[in-house]
Amino acid sequence: GAGVSQSPSNKVTEKGKDVELRCDPISGHTALYWYRQSLGQGLEFLIYFQGNSAPDKSGLPSDRFSAERTGGSVSTLTIQRTQQEDSAVYLCASSPQGHQPQHFGDGTRLSIL
Amino acid sequence: DQQVKQNSPSLSVQEGRISILNCDYTNSMFDYFLWYKKYPAEGPTFLISISSIKDKNEDGRFTVFLNKSAKHLSLHIVPSQPGDSAVYFCAASARQAGTALIFGKGTTLSVSS
Repeated sequence: GAGVSQSPSNKVTEKGKDVELRCDPISGHTALYWYRQSLGQGLEFLIYFQGNSAPDKSGLPSDRFSAERTGGSVSTLTIQRTQQEDSAVYLCASSPQGHQPQHFGDGTRLSIL
Repeated sequence: DQQVKQNSPSLSVQEGRISILNCDYTNSMFDYFLWYKKYPAEGPTFLISISSIKDKNEDGRFTVFLNKSAKHLSLHIVPSQPGDSAVYFCAASARQAGTALIFGKGTTLSVSS
């Protein structure tokens, strides 16, 4: 399809394990964003990429969270030493050159046991 | 402190009637506003947006109104249809390429037939 693709759709892991979440943006979209939605909350911004660089990392909640983007396309969000409060839906969005609107994938539902 | 507020967690409307969803913001730097619709287990889908140079934008059954002096916007859906039942998120940004969207917590709209 032509939309933003995220994998896995669901991830269950034990506390303390590392997880990697993947986002494949819409082809040609240079801007890529990560958000998360905890239960009963709105979407919370995590990080923004323009190409392969991340000019805004202000939303990453701790140094356990990191993200990279290679080839101006696929991005990976990594959470190290997961905690129960990391349980949330992690959403990726992309847009052409950073202009609005952003187009979202269906997210990865992460559950930490 | 929340910069974008949707004070009504839920709204119930009969099919064919008008649905009005409200959103307030506190940051005077916001000058671009968007509404997204979200079904369960799917990512948010862009609905309609408005720039601060306008006070109204219309797209089919959806109209967004912006009152800058009151820092308030609303989404009107006329006529409402059962398929409109979803969670609606208000989002705001400063009109710069690549900035994050700041989301409200959402309003769950239920349209009964």
